Amino acid sequence: ILNVEQSPQSLHVQEGDSTNFTCSFPSSNFYALHWYRWETAKSPEALFVMTLNGDEKKKGRISATLNTKEGYSYLYIKGSQPEDSATYLCAFISGNQFYFGTGTSLTVIP
Amino acid sequence: GAGVSQTPSNKVTEKGKYVELRCDPISGHTALYWYRQSLGQGPEFLIYFQGTGAADDSGLPNDRFFAVRPEGSVSTLKIQRTERGDSAVYLCASSLYGGNNNSPLHFGNGTRLTVT
Repeated sequence: ILNVEQSPQSLHVQEGDSTNFTCSFPSSNFYALHWYRWETAKSPEALFVMTLNGDEKKKGRISATLNTKEGYSYLYIKGSQPEDSATYLCAFISGNQFYFGTGTSLTVIP
Repeated sequence: GAGVSQTPSNKVTEKGKYVELRCDPISGHTALYWYRQSLGQGPEFLIYFQGTGAADDSGLPNDRFFAVRPEGSVSTLKIQRTERGDSAVYLCASSLYGGNNNSPLHFGNGTRLTVT
């Protein structure tokens, strides 16, 4: 069983604040790291697919970095908006398997 | 185009009954995954299909759980003699090729199973 950890478990921020959270994963047998956003009453949607050490990906106000040698990825949200409220899941990919963390639940307070 | 469809969206059943959960993946996606999510947990892997065959069923918790994908498209997760501990959201996801080809997962909305 591969251990993928996310922190913090939950987060409340004020609208306009920037925030970040962490995904930790094994540094061996790495193939890829995915980030997903899961809004209430919807299905999880892929945000980023990251494969290379040092990768940085950006989509609007959301960006992510990857360090495969030390086994972590950060997700950043700049200027949080209420519509960013969701659970953010990371998944470590190895051997065609997706190993998910428990997620970070973000609530943006207007 | 159509996304991943799961039916039913909600299922309430009595302890000991048999249930079937259906997943209709995105057309052309060869990989199909079943996950189970309990409150406060991340998605827990159950089984992965590549085409018609179960490439990895190591996540099925016991022999009450079984899944099929006979034609390489629709998949059915079957649970026999349901127990209250089986209550969870069952998520299905499909992927163009599978994890080792950088193709992300596309999830359905899940089936919320409640065993009373």
